[in-house]
Amino acid sequence: DIQMTQSPSSLSASVGDRVTITCRASQSISSYLNWYQQKPGKAPKLLIYAASSLQSGVPSRFSGSGSGTDFTLTISSLQPEDFATYYCQQSYSTLVFTFGPGTKVDIK
Amino acid sequence: QVQLQESGPGLVKPSQTLSLTCTVSGGSISSGSYYWSWIRQPAGKGLEWIGRIYTSGSTNYNPSLKSRVTISVDTSKNQFSLKLSSVTAADTAVYYCARGVSSSWFLGGWFDPWGQGTLVTVSS
Repeated sequence: DIQMTQSPSSLSASVGDRVTITCRASQSISSYLNWYQQKPGKAPKLLIYAASSLQSGVPSRFSGSGSGTDFTLTISSLQPEDFATYYCQQSYSTLVFTFGPGTKVDIK
Repeated sequence: QVQLQESGPGLVKPSQTLSLTCTVSGGSISSGSYYWSWIRQPAGKGLEWIGRIYTSGSTNYNPSLKSRVTISVDTSKNQFSLKLSSVTAADTAVYYCARGVSSSWFLGGWFDPWGQGTLVTVSS
């Protein structure tokens, strides 16, 4: 299986901060990488697909980049509603999809 | 827009079979380049993909659960279902159903939307 790691596991930030979350795959996954946001008690919500494509309706302050094994999710100016846990997910291996362990973003 | 809703018992005894159904509304389960997945999340932990089914009936399962999992689809009811046998306390989790969106340039695709999730507790 392709293993996904994320760093940091948690971070504290202030409204208006630029936030960067990193996701790394155990082997090259090209650009087959998605990002989700999950708030407490809610289902995950798709933010970014194919490493850098913004899902319809998602604010433009969210962006994704990377290819191969290293990927980044950036929030350009953190808003109060962005405090949540973020997960990356690989779809390169179409037989087994795997998620990263998550990065929790909370208020500083 | 398409919405998904999980249903099923919230409490299952150890060694028994967990059974959940996901009802798709706002669109046909048979339309488009979609597959239908189950994903679970133990309390305070991360997400684990369980498996998926196409409306053709073709399935893929997570190898870690493959021996105990069956996913089926009923296109006439616009539903797909999960059965997980021989459950233990380790299977206690929130279970989500989700639509997988794939394309010729991104076969694996992505999950969108998700159901709200249903908590299943394994306990005697």
